[in-house]
Amino acid sequence: AQSVTQLDSQVPVFEEAPVELRCNYSSSVSVYLFWYVQYPNQGLQLLLKYLSGSTLVKGINGFEAEFNKSQTSFHLRKPSVHISDTAEYFCAVYIKAAGNKLTFGGGTRVLVKP
Amino acid sequence: DGGITQSPKYLFRKEGQNVTLSCEQNLNHDAMYWYRQDPGQGLRLIYYSQIVNDFQKGDIAEGYSVSREKKESFPLTVTSAQKNPTAFYLCASGGVVTAGANVLTFGAGSRLTVL
Repeated sequence: AQSVTQLDSQVPVFEEAPVELRCNYSSSVSVYLFWYVQYPNQGLQLLLKYLSGSTLVKGINGFEAEFNKSQTSFHLRKPSVHISDTAEYFCAVYIKAAGNKLTFGGGTRVLVKP
Repeated sequence: DGGITQSPKYLFRKEGQNVTLSCEQNLNHDAMYWYRQDPGQGLRLIYYSQIVNDFQKGDIAEGYSVSREKKESFPLTVTSAQKNPTAFYLCASGGVVTAGANVLTFGAGSRLTVL
């Protein structure tokens, strides 16, 4: 069975500093990868996705992620965060052969400090 | 605007009572999903449905039931058999994109508290 590991449960960061959220997955077959963001008491919103092609994926709000097949990673980055980026971020893996469903990591809570 | 509507947003239940959470979508998506969210545990899949009148158990289906009589609707019933039902419940629907992967759109969630 596939699994998704987000290595940091919480990441404090100062405003205008860069941030990286780490995500590793376990799968021996091709995968599709996603990052979602959740603001307090809301549903999840898609930040970006990797389906195929270029391994560097750009998303909304200045976020980007890089797919590394050899390291089975899909780390999320932003060069300069804002207070409004305070939220929880979820990495997710989709394997079509595994029943057409997403498996989520445990989430990383980002707290941006002024 | 297209989207997913979950209701109620907040719900309180006494132990031993069943409760049904509503999920309606107007995105014309075939697939619909229910996830449960607990602090520090991410999202865990309860049930999903890829087509009307068909659904499959997810990773934590015990104590829950669903139906899919209409494409737009996928209600979730939390039964008295669910031992720890207090949680945030998220409904999602999936639209197929070019690579064949479902990109999920989420509702705003329903927070269930058992008193």
